[in-house]
Amino acid sequence: QVQLVQSGAEVKKPGSSVKVSCKASGGTFSAYTITWVRQAPGQGLEWMGRILPILGTNYAQKFQGRVTITADRSTSTAYMELSGLRSEDTAIYYCARDVGSFFYNWLDPWGQGTLVTVSS
Amino acid sequence: DIQMTQSPSSLSASAGDRVIITCRASQSISTYLNWYQQRPGKAPKLLIYGASTLQTGVPSRFSGGGSGTEFTLTISSLQPEDFATYYCQQSSSTLMYTFGQGTKLEIK
Repeated sequence: QVQLVQSGAEVKKPGSSVKVSCKASGGTFSAYTITWVRQAPGQGLEWMGRILPILGTNYAQKFQGRVTITADRSTSTAYMELSGLRSEDTAIYYCARDVGSFFYNWLDPWGQGTLVTVSS
Repeated sequence: DIQMTQSPSSLSASAGDRVIITCRASQSISTYLNWYQQRPGKAPKLLIYGASTLQTGVPSRFSGGGSGTEFTLTISSLQPEDFATYYCQQSSSTLMYTFGQGTKLEIK
């Protein structure tokens, strides 16, 4: 049973950066694609980007230049770093395993979420 | 980008009711459509993938259908634990997933 456990809540100043971690257990992390999704307070889900085992990363255009997704396969941990933080980046950030089979993809399981608050 | 639009945005229903949530894509996505349930304060949970395949462990009162641009999520007989927010998500464009805005299912 794959589980994803994320790092704890963060409070950041505008203009700074945040790095959220997502540690996997119960499976073969080296084969995983990990996706990051965020949810602003009271709002819907927004896809940010993902990291694939061999093909690297792809990011939503909205976050290009501000987001970096990496993975340390030796510790089964993925990271999402967002720079140039502004108040609108206050949100819960989720990681999820991006599962693929016969050209279909879905997100399962999800981490528990990490609240990032951007405030001066 | 492929836009996903859900209707209704909110819905009031009673336990035992049958409800249908609709999701429309701005262009054809074949059956590359997933549904998630999110309870308050919790992470989303996968219900259905490939438009109609029930994830293991999900009760059979949930079902999905559709193809192309129109999709439905049906809950045949609402249970108290089903009151939550539901999201559709397209995976046709693997360079950019998009979600619907969500449908909040509330107790009448």
